[in-house]
Amino acid sequence: EPEVTQTPSHQVTQMGQEVILRCVPISNHLYFYWYRQILGQKVEFLVSFYNNEISEKSEIFDDQFSVERPDGSNFTLKIRSTKLEDSAMYFCASSEDFSGRKYEQYFGPGTRLTVT
Amino acid sequence: AQSVTQLGSHVSVSEGALVLLRCNYSSSVPPYLFWYVQYPNQGLQLLLKYTTGATLVKGINGFEAEFKKSETSFHLTKPSAHMSDAAEYFCAVSTADKLIFGTGTRLQVFP
Repeated sequence: EPEVTQTPSHQVTQMGQEVILRCVPISNHLYFYWYRQILGQKVEFLVSFYNNEISEKSEIFDDQFSVERPDGSNFTLKIRSTKLEDSAMYFCASSEDFSGRKYEQYFGPGTRLTVT
Repeated sequence: AQSVTQLGSHVSVSEGALVLLRCNYSSSVPPYLFWYVQYPNQGLQLLLKYTTGATLVKGINGFEAEFKKSETSFHLTKPSAHMSDAAEYFCAVSTADKLIFGTGTRLQVFP
């Protein structure tokens, strides 16, 4: 069964460093998302992406964050200058592009980001 | 604005007992509702979803949920709990471009 994959599974970085989290969505999906989950808290929406553009973003997704689809398979989340509070599990998700199924999002296993 | 409320951050049941996890939603448009499960140190797995049609939806692992518009609820049930059901369960409502999750309910199953 097709699945969303994410790399790395765990990333440790120092405060102020840039990190790039990578995702490979399901191949025929056209909508892509990033969510995060701070330890012990609920899953929060960061950004959605369609047709090479951000379609919606949350208040969390400030200028320190960016997303990109650099090629036909990868979808990346970049944090330019990490802060301690960016420590969280980051989930990538994707969904198909037609009504009725657009809203079913498939999640990757997550990348645990630890900022020290 | 759409939102989801999950009543009870922790639910404990004995193996073989009924599982009931509560979810209420707020939505100005007909909602698309989901239940996801998260096992320890893993990602989110879709259990079941309601979009349109039959209000009682069946999912994986013997779970089901009933959409009740009059009560704005989408509670998750399973007739007989199994030890392997121990996990975190998240209810979510979909807008056009994102899922809004509840705070989650941790299910513990005792032998």
